[in-house]
Amino acid sequence: DARVTQTPRDKVTEMGQEVTMRCQPILGHNTVFWYRQTMMQGLELLAYFRNRAPLDDSGMPKDRFSAEMPDATLATLKIQPSEPRDSAVYFCASGRTGVVGEQFFGPGTRLTVL
Amino acid sequence: DQQVKQNSPSLSVQEGRISILNCDYTNSMFDYFLWYKKYPAEGPTFLISISSIKDKNEDGRFTVFLNKSAKHLSLHIVPSQPGDSAVYFCAANHPKGGGANNLFFGTGTRLTVIP
Repeated sequence: DARVTQTPRDKVTEMGQEVTMRCQPILGHNTVFWYRQTMMQGLELLAYFRNRAPLDDSGMPKDRFSAEMPDATLATLKIQPSEPRDSAVYFCASGRTGVVGEQFFGPGTRLTVL
Repeated sequence: DQQVKQNSPSLSVQEGRISILNCDYTNSMFDYFLWYKKYPAEGPTFLISISSIKDKNEDGRFTVFLNKSAKHLSLHIVPSQPGDSAVYFCAANHPKGGGANNLFFGTGTRLTVIP
């Protein structure tokens, strides 16, 4: 049963600390997306990759957030330094180009910054 | 600026009745629309979609209607079941980025089906 996995599932940290979230996309998928879910904005796109290359990260605060795909099986989202307003659930999704709208979501990482 | 809007944060419906979830969008370039369903502590899962060249798509108890002139779509669930209780996200696909799917999501509507 192919699925997107995310670690950690929950993270509590103190303001100023570095946070790294990891995602393993479904094997064979060539697009990866990072979203943040907040009450006010719903699912907010932070960044997305195609064939490991970043296509759009305009939704991400550049000064503290960074997203990378070191290889086809791993995507990372880092926040440094973290702030209380970063508290949210972060979702990773993967899909395939040419299959319109197809995105499979991971279970999310719930981040709490104190 | 939200390009996809779900103006009802919540909806309660009796079991067996129809649930109607609404969604509005502003960008006429969107070419595909999707509904995702989300249970607590899980990621959203794809439910049903519709191309912008169609006005209706049906899959079992779920039907999505698209009114392009009004930039409005709706999801109908008939009959509603307690297991349908979840948050429903409307999403629209923008055809940019060389084929990479670029979905814009609404803020979600929490549906509660009362037994």
